[in-house]
Amino acid sequence: EIVLTQSPATLSLSPGESATLSCRASQSVSTYLAWYQQKPGQAPRLLIYDASIRATGIPARFSGSGSGTDFTLTIRSLEPEDFAVYYCQQRSIWPPYTFGQGTKLEVK
Amino acid sequence: QVQLQEAGPGLVKPSGTLSLTCAVFGGSISSGNWWSWVRQPPGKGLEWIGEMYHSGSGNTNYNPSLKSRVSISVDKSKKQFSLKLTSVTAADTAVYFCARGSQLRGWLDAWGQGVLVTISS
Repeated sequence: EIVLTQSPATLSLSPGESATLSCRASQSVSTYLAWYQQKPGQAPRLLIYDASIRATGIPARFSGSGSGTDFTLTIRSLEPEDFAVYYCQQRSIWPPYTFGQGTKLEVK
Repeated sequence: QVQLQEAGPGLVKPSGTLSLTCAVFGGSISSGNWWSWVRQPPGKGLEWIGEMYHSGSGNTNYNPSLKSRVSISVDKSKKQFSLKLTSVTAADTAVYFCARGSQLRGWLDAWGQGVLVTISS
């Protein structure tokens, strides 16, 4: 099973700042990695897939990068609605298609 | 725009079977997507349960940690898919989400709102 480790567990920033979230895989997943955003009481929402492609309707301030084992989600100029929990997920060759444990982005 | 809606009992007794359905609105269930289930224990992270690829082949993938207890099926005529989890314990208490996986890679691009299932006597 591929383990995804996200860091930091909690990130405290102010609106207008930029956020950098990390996801590290226990073995290479090529670019088969996605990022999801989840707000309290809601289902997750797909932000980024194939490591760097924004999903439909996702603002350009969200960007993803990386390949192999190290991935980054960057959010430029944080808006109030961006404060949420972010998960990465891999879809490498074999299931289970695991999620990371999440990074909580909170208002400083 | 496709919408998904879970339905099923909110309370299941230990050792019983958890059964949920997910209705698909505004899209085809025969379009070659991965029809998936994900769960989230209260206050914790996401766990991928499994998926079925519905385009005639009916291929399924399950989380090995649940494989002996889980099954996913698709009912094309009712435009819904289902999850069954047998021999449940308190550790199976979670919010269960159904989701659609994209055709190319299975990324979860549409989700139901989730349903809390509590395992308790």
